[in-house]
Amino acid sequence: DSGVTQTPKHLITATGQRVTLRCSPRSGDLSVYWYQQSLDQGLQFLIQYYNGEERAKGNILERFSAQQFPDLHSELNLSSLELGDSALYFCASSRDRTVGEQFFGPGTRLTVL
Amino acid sequence: AQSVTQLDSQVPVFEEAPVELRCNYSSSVSVYLFWYVQYPNQGLQLLLKYLSGSTLVKGINGFEAEFNKSQTSFHLRKPSVHISDTAEYFCAVSDRGNTGFQKLVFGTGTRLLVSP
Repeated sequence: DSGVTQTPKHLITATGQRVTLRCSPRSGDLSVYWYQQSLDQGLQFLIQYYNGEERAKGNILERFSAQQFPDLHSELNLSSLELGDSALYFCASSRDRTVGEQFFGPGTRLTVL
Repeated sequence: AQSVTQLDSQVPVFEEAPVELRCNYSSSVSVYLFWYVQYPNQGLQLLLKYLSGSTLVKGINGFEAEFNKSQTSFHLRKPSVHISDTAEYFCAVSDRGNTGFQKLVFGTGTRLLVSP
């Protein structure tokens, strides 16, 4: 158990819908990262937050957005969903924004029908 | 831009045999290197990391890796594998930039299949 929690574990929805994925980092970790894992794209970095502020963006679509709240939990919002958005979405956290390992949550499996 | 190449998508091996999973990276700056393991239906778990110092890094579950700067490689090895080592292994690189941001770039993964 990495100490990072993600909810829900599974999510099934329809095209055009909007969903919210939630992540709670390990106690004391200030950085939260979101990744997407799909068969065709592999593991892709989406976005990072540090202590409530967005720090970097990766291959995140404009239909996707995220935020980190004062209690440091984070939410990833996916809207106007398409079939291709079906993937595993991982959240990771780390102590700070520099050197160190990232601890990954168990992921949320999103299926868009 | 950084990139990671894992040359083998799948490596079959018999139990108790040695194994090497290959990883090559490209980066214009000094890097940090990581190996993560993903068991079925689970998240990623860190096996080992190279930040600085000794180029031979020991990790959990008997795995080790050697950082070779001249060959830009960070191959993962285990002298004797177990059935329970069957999993997907990801190599990742992060640069040592001054931005304070540690972006991980992952390889495509290598599936290790250990059979009796």
